[in-house]
Amino acid sequence: QQQVKQSPQSLIVQKGGISIINCAYENTAFDYFPWYQQFPGKGPALLIAIRPDVSEKKEGRFTISFNKSAKQFSLHIMDSQPGDSATYFCAAKRTGGYQKVTFGTGTKLQVIP
Amino acid sequence: GAGVSQTPSNKVTEKGKYVELRCDPISGHTALYWYRQSLGQGPEFLIYFQGTGAADDSGLPNDRFFAVRPEGSVSTLKIQRTERGDSAVYLCASSQDRGVLAFFGQGTRLTVV
Repeated sequence: QQQVKQSPQSLIVQKGGISIINCAYENTAFDYFPWYQQFPGKGPALLIAIRPDVSEKKEGRFTISFNKSAKQFSLHIMDSQPGDSATYFCAAKRTGGYQKVTFGTGTKLQVIP
Repeated sequence: GAGVSQTPSNKVTEKGKYVELRCDPISGHTALYWYRQSLGQGPEFLIYFQGTGAADDSGLPNDRFFAVRPEGSVSTLKIQRTERGDSAVYLCASSQDRGVLAFFGQGTRLTVV
């Protein structure tokens, strides 16, 4: 059972464009939604995260939009750069304590010059 | 080093053999996690240690998998009677108490032939 659904599977964006990755979840017990960035041969690294009591969080060129009623959230990468080319995972964690995180299936982003 | 260190980086083993994968967490981190990432998928939770004890091992696929953390620092994931389906990247992460998982190690790529 896939608890966090992610789309698209892959994405090609021109340099300077906006990359958008979408995720949806079913479990209302999730209370923390991180996004991870993974480069080939490396482990995932936390990029940005949001809690469901806010609708948007921005850090530099990265923005999470959160729609609690629809149980959907998305990552927007503004002014996408070739260095942003990586695989992005949305994820979710249940209420209470430790980091038992459920990941989406990933989006492979390629930013072309 | 400053990050989570995993050894070996790659391990090729024959079906039926026993393997050990090692994780050196960030110094002082009490929480340690093992995740498994199959090709083209997001990481999946295996086990969580708080100190020396396994607080949640619900993600271990079966009794061929076992993990220890005897002194509350280094952890070893042990897989008996390996099967081809065990081939994946095994990731380790650590955090302060129940804090956010900011970084994973680079992983051990296990290939069972």
